[in-house]
Amino acid sequence: DTGVSQDPRHKITKRGQNVTFRCDPISEHNRLYWYRQTLGQGPEFLTYFQNEAQLEKSRLLSDRFSAERPKGSFSTLEIQRTEQGDSAMYLCASSLGSGALGNEQFFGPGTRLTVL
Amino acid sequence: GDSVTQMEGPVTLSEEAFLTINCTYTATGYPSLFWYVQYPGEGLQLLLKATKADDKGSNKGFEATYRKETTSFHLEKGSVQVSDSAVYFCALSDSGAGSYQLTFGKGTKLSVIP
Repeated sequence: DTGVSQDPRHKITKRGQNVTFRCDPISEHNRLYWYRQTLGQGPEFLTYFQNEAQLEKSRLLSDRFSAERPKGSFSTLEIQRTEQGDSAMYLCASSLGSGALGNEQFFGPGTRLTVL
Repeated sequence: GDSVTQMEGPVTLSEEAFLTINCTYTATGYPSLFWYVQYPGEGLQLLLKATKADDKGSNKGFEATYRKETTSFHLEKGSVQVSDSAVYFCALSDSGAGSYQLTFGKGTKLSVIP
């Protein structure tokens, strides 16, 4: 078990371009979460999957954002028509979803997005 | 909605000093409470947690007690080390209210000097 991985670690893009990030959770974890963290702030929840079903979405997740988890394993987060305000660290986390440790979320290293 | 308020930083302490980072919360349900730590250049790591009132979470010399009456979960360590320098985040999960997301505070940066 190598933990939660995210790719890429850094992404620089021009305003108006689309970007896609990938998250690979811990293999047996059925819950997957996306958060966004800006400088000097705590992470803010974006969305959550249980297996392949997207069960919860924050109001922060505008219609330019879309997330998928097609086979209940890895997930992608796409941002269309990026804006400078999208610049942030995008964090992925996973959890087991059951038992005493079900609520414990394990975080990946994040993808830092810079929109020029 | 749920929210977490934690002590503003940065906090600078000398090695072996006592640490307290205050954290209070508001929640609609009966949340679980967490402290996460982010070391320089690394991802968020769970430091400790508590799931019900009067529970004490502890790890690596850090402790925090779930105080329902004061809606608090203050982080303490009796003797800090330089290696404890990091950003500390208090968080809650209100799964009893049907939500599994974590709600974080803004973080408190701790610097420990030799």
